[in-house]
Amino acid sequence: EIQLVESGGGLIRPGGSLRLSCAASGFTVSNTYMTWVRQAPGKGLEWLSIIYDNGGTYYADSVKGRFTISRDTSKNTLYLQMNNLRADDTAVFYCARISNSSDHYYMDVWGKGTMVTVSS
Amino acid sequence: DIQMTQSPSSLSASVGDRVTITCRASRNIVNYLIWYQQKPGEAPKLLIYAASSLQSGVPSRFSGSGSGTEFTLTIDSLQPEDFASYYCQHNYIIPYSFGQGTKLNI
Repeated sequence: EIQLVESGGGLIRPGGSLRLSCAASGFTVSNTYMTWVRQAPGKGLEWLSIIYDNGGTYYADSVKGRFTISRDTSKNTLYLQMNNLRADDTAVFYCARISNSSDHYYMDVWGKGTMVTVSS
Repeated sequence: DIQMTQSPSSLSASVGDRVTITCRASRNIVNYLIWYQQKPGEAPKLLIYAASSLQSGVPSRFSGSGSGTEFTLTIDSLQPEDFASYYCQHNYIIPYSFGQGTKLNI
């Protein structure tokens, strides 16, 4: 079965660091594009970061320089290292697989999400 | 960056109704437009990609149209399970921004 399972969320103080994990099954993370999206409580979706099959990465301006996306091929797992966390980073974080059809890329498999709360 | 604007922000409808949600892009994105559905407490679910291509397994009452800067999601004959939030997203260029969402209420 194709699925994604996030973990690593929790309560963290402002300025702290946290690493989220996204374990994949049913497909190979390193052979596809993967992305992180977050959703603040009661708010909409915010795209954060992408990692391509060739290892290239991009970030939204809101997290550039603070968050790092990576993957571990041996564990078939995607990561999001989050540093210097702020209160406005409080959100449910989702990982998603990006598939493509004729140069159109879309998030077709999502994890259930992991909650990150940044508060003192 | 490309800004995505959805309208309306919320919408009330009844089972059996036909509803349309609009998404506007701040610049031409050709047909690089995706629609997702999200129910409370759940992850988003892919409905439509490339503006009008229905994802496998999605009921045919969902349809998408548009190109350039204006796009629509139409749901024919609303079913009880369709009451949810809907988001558009462009995938024309990084960053892949989302619209603010449309909540469809009973």
